[in-house]
Amino acid sequence: EDQVTQSPEALRLQEGESSSLNCSYTVSGLRGLFWYRQDPGKGPEFLFTLYSAGEEKEKERLKATLTKKESFLHITAPKPEDSATYLCAVHRGGTSYGKLTFGQGTILTVHP
Amino acid sequence: DAGVTQSPTHLIKTRGQQVTLRCSPKSGHDTVSWYQQALGQGPQFIFQYYEEEERQRGNFPDRFSGHQFPNYSSELNVNALLLGDSALYLCASSLPARDAFFGPGTRLTVL
Repeated sequence: EDQVTQSPEALRLQEGESSSLNCSYTVSGLRGLFWYRQDPGKGPEFLFTLYSAGEEKEKERLKATLTKKESFLHITAPKPEDSATYLCAVHRGGTSYGKLTFGQGTILTVHP
Repeated sequence: DAGVTQSPTHLIKTRGQQVTLRCSPKSGHDTVSWYQQALGQGPQFIFQYYEEEERQRGNFPDRFSGHQFPNYSSELNVNALLLGDSALYLCASSLPARDAFFGPGTRLTVL
């Protein structure tokens, strides 16, 4: 069974204090690893898809990287508006038809 | 270009009742998946519809059923509601096995 574990569960940063969120996964035949941002009471907002180990993608202050066992979401010089829950999910190939298995999320709070 | 839309936004039901939630996919998308997200948890896959058929199902009882219409919109039905069904219900649309985009969700409260 596919498993996704995110750490830490919660992270508090000062504005401008860079850090990383971790997503460890166990999946047979990874087809894609996804990062989403979710604000309270809202639906997840798509950030990145990573397909193979060594791949990196960037968007503003966020950079996602992928290895064979885990993914990191690096946040550089965060601002208070980056505060949200960040979700990681995996998609297994074969007959999974795009089913996503999610981790429990990391709650990020950035203080001004 | 409209994204994924869901209705209603909020819903309050009592135990034993039935509920129907609705989803319109992003323009050009033909695949709709439903997820349940309990407070403080990641979304859990319920099922996926493609070409008006349920193509894959997660670990949810038969009380959860769905439908996809020819215009690709979808409904999620839950019968015999339990207190534990209280959650945020999310619809995601995509092309087959491609990036999934989520709607704003429907908050269901069962009293």
